[in-house]
Amino acid sequence: AQSVTQPDIHITVSEGASLELRCNYSYGATPYLFWYVQSPGQGLQLLLKYFSGDTLVQGIKGFEAEFKRSQSSFNLRKPSVHWSDAAEYFCAVGAIGTYKYIFGTGTRLKVLA
Amino acid sequence: GAGVSQSPSNKVTEKGKDVELRCDPISGHTALYWYRQSLGQGLEFLIYFQGNSAPDKSGLPSDRFSAERTGGSVSTLTIQRTQQEDSAVYLCASRPLQGSSYNEQFFGPGTRLTVL
Repeated sequence: AQSVTQPDIHITVSEGASLELRCNYSYGATPYLFWYVQSPGQGLQLLLKYFSGDTLVQGIKGFEAEFKRSQSSFNLRKPSVHWSDAAEYFCAVGAIGTYKYIFGTGTRLKVLA
Repeated sequence: GAGVSQSPSNKVTEKGKDVELRCDPISGHTALYWYRQSLGQGLEFLIYFQGNSAPDKSGLPSDRFSAERTGGSVSTLTIQRTQQEDSAVYLCASRPLQGSSYNEQFFGPGTRLTVL
């Protein structure tokens, strides 16, 4: 079955600390992978996406993610978190030729001053 | 340019009433999605429109839910005889089918529906 798992429902980090949000997927085809961020009362904004090529992708706001096929993972990282990064983060998977994307249940990030 | 807009931003209704939620996609985006986001849940796919093709309604949870897209642009999601379990945030997204962003969904801010 196709699925996306974000094992951490909540994560709390101190401002300036590094961050890693986990995403594991199960998908039959070669996946397209996405990370979205949702601030309170807002829609989802795309942080970065992976289709092919270099497995380390850079996104907006200083985020990056690494696609590891052997581990079926696409973890999101940021070297130094800012208070404004507090939000909910969603991982999503799709594939070429499909229009339905599967979203994870999200990870809510809290940043301590 | 303008992003995806949704109205109303908040809707409080009584159980049993009908509600209409509106989505204005980005101009030129031929694909449009509706999702439901319940507390602590991911995004639940409801319906997909692409151009003049028949919509994929496979995600609609019951026959109380319907959606239409007029003229390939504005879309309306209608929930009839609302129930308390319909309370959620309803998100709309549009997507271009060509160009560098062809696989990216652009989301609106959502409509928060509360059924009393």
